[in-house]
Amino acid sequence: NAGVMQNPRHLVRRRGQEARLRCSPMKGHSHVYWYRQLPEEGLKFMVYLQKENIIDESGMPKERFSAEFPKEGPSILRIQQVVRGDSAAYFCASSPGLADSYNEQFFGPGTRLTVL
Amino acid sequence: GNSVTQMEGPVTLSEEAFLTINCTYTATGYPSLFWYVQYPGEGLQLLLKATKADDKGSNKGFEATYRKETTSFHLEKGSVQVSDSAVYFCALSDPRSGYSTLTFGKGTMLLVSP
Repeated sequence: NAGVMQNPRHLVRRRGQEARLRCSPMKGHSHVYWYRQLPEEGLKFMVYLQKENIIDESGMPKERFSAEFPKEGPSILRIQQVVRGDSAAYFCASSPGLADSYNEQFFGPGTRLTVL
Repeated sequence: GNSVTQMEGPVTLSEEAFLTINCTYTATGYPSLFWYVQYPGEGLQLLLKATKADDKGSNKGFEATYRKETTSFHLEKGSVQVSDSAVYFCALSDPRSGYSTLTFGKGTMLLVSP
């Protein structure tokens, strides 16, 4: 059973370009979480999605960032008009049901975004 | 709000040495506590967890006890191996409306030399 897949693993963009980060959850998992790790900081929650629904986006910046998890295909985190401050590692996690104390979140290897 | 503070690294040890990585937390309510490990080039893996006060989580020789009175969840291992070299993250869950998001510390790098 393949784990959580993220691609690309490394992404370089120039200021003003768009970045698209993809996350394929583990087979059978319908819940996806995105976290961001800025340099010298811990991972911070961004958004929680179920298939075709955004459940909680309280950690997402209000502008330029969006996320989706369509019925078919991977979850996408989209960053428009990237700025240098967006440079970070972006991690995706999935769980089979509601992630709580008993339902573990399984993490992908992350996408490292560098904005020039 | 919730927060997790863990000791800064890197922690450098010789093989078979005793390991302690300190973790303290601030939270409203009654969170669950976790330690995750990240090996180079890989995603985070759950190492152990504890869901209520005085619980002890353990796995692969690592242990941590949920101490509500000191709001701590220190990670310990009696004898580290070179293969334990990785980054360790302490985290707490924040139950909200039936699901949990995780709040992480900054991570502590452990380097074990032969």
